[in-house]
Amino acid sequence: DIQMTQSPSSLSASVGERVTITCRASQGISNYLAWYQQRPGKAPKLLIYEASTLQSGVPSRFGGRRSGTDFTLTISSLQPEDVATYYCQKYDSAPLTFGGGTKVEI
Amino acid sequence: EVQLVQSGAELKKPGESLKISCNGSGYTFPYFWIAWVRQVPGKGLEWMGMIYPGDSGTTYSPSFQGQVTISVDKSINTAYLQWRSLKASDTAMYYCARHLKSDAAHDYWGQGTLVTVSS
Repeated sequence: DIQMTQSPSSLSASVGERVTITCRASQGISNYLAWYQQRPGKAPKLLIYEASTLQSGVPSRFGGRRSGTDFTLTISSLQPEDVATYYCQKYDSAPLTFGGGTKVEI
Repeated sequence: EVQLVQSGAELKKPGESLKISCNGSGYTFPYFWIAWVRQVPGKGLEWMGMIYPGDSGTTYSPSFQGQVTISVDKSINTAYLQWRSLKASDTAMYYCARHLKSDAAHDYWGQGTLVTVSS
């Protein structure tokens, strides 16, 4: 099965700072990559699909890119409401594996 | 409005059976896959498997194959996750989530069902 390796596992940044999270697939998955945000005590929420397409209603400060089997989620200007754990997920074929998560703090 | 509403929290003993549910509304239920995702307290998300309500076709993660059963009753827009014999290690939050195709992201999620297994 394809493994998804996310880094870092946690980070702390200031309000307004640019934040980047990386997810690496162990094999090619084309653009079949999603990013989710999970705020404390809440269900996950879809942010980005197809590696770079913003889900409706998601603020434009969130962005996604792909370079081969490496994917990045960028928050251009960190806001207090962005405190959460972020997960990548590959969905090209089952199992639809998640990365280990990145906890973002301020 | 699309909603996935899950059944309430459960407290069970090891060896007991359990079936939790996920009811979809606000969309054409048979046309969207439903997946189940486990989250052990303090840990990450684990994808368990999925079902297509239109024909009840299922796919399981190898990690969960044989450990749980995913089923659906499309007449009442409800998907299920079932255990025959619970273990303490099954203690977790369980989420259902829908996706348009088997190779699509999960665009809507249920609120989660907390399952606690303790003697």
